[in-house]
Amino acid sequence: DAGVTQSPTHLIKTRGQHVTLRCSPISGHKSVSWYQQVLGQGPQFIFQYYEKEERGRGNFPDRFSARQFPNYSSELNVNALLLGDSALYLCASSLEGDGNTIYFGEGSWLTVV
Amino acid sequence: DAKTTQPTSMDCAEGRAANLPCNHSTISGNEYVYWYRQIHSQGPQYIIHGLKNNETNEMASLIITEDRKSSTLILPHATLRDTAVYYCIVKSNFGNEKLTFGTGTRLTIIP
Repeated sequence: DAGVTQSPTHLIKTRGQHVTLRCSPISGHKSVSWYQQVLGQGPQFIFQYYEKEERGRGNFPDRFSARQFPNYSSELNVNALLLGDSALYLCASSLEGDGNTIYFGEGSWLTVV
Repeated sequence: DAKTTQPTSMDCAEGRAANLPCNHSTISGNEYVYWYRQIHSQGPQYIIHGLKNNETNEMASLIITEDRKSSTLILPHATLRDTAVYYCIVKSNFGNEKLTFGTGTRLTIIP
């Protein structure tokens, strides 16, 4: 069975641009979460979506937004990119969104220049 | 979610058991202990979790003290592929699914 899949795996953007990252959860999983991992630090929670509704939001500016589609896949959007947004962006999924084991994808490496 | 404290780094000889400690003295009754690991440049990999009983799966064993204030992850026969950063996370199984990662323990398996 396929795990959590993310695209693209690597990308380079210029300051001020916008980026969209995509995530497909494990088949049957209805909850998707997004994390940012800056080099040398642990992942930081950005958003959780369950059944297309936002269930949790971390301490990130409004430039970060996300949505979940009817097929439970998700997009993370970041506007007005800053150099500090360079990071590994991780998507995670779980079955029910509450109390189930969370599985991570391999991430999307974003470099902002 | 309760905060966890882990050693920054540890070494273990290949073939020996790796014992990774974690302190979570402020854990509350409905919070589970989760362990993930992250091999360089990859996404975190789920290892095991538990509430108060010891748990074992094909990857590892989790020993939780009776007062639940600390736990130990045991990799029974460490291999070079177990070299990674190991994160101990305390999380309630109610509410949202935010995992709060600390700095973890960098485990190096030595040939």
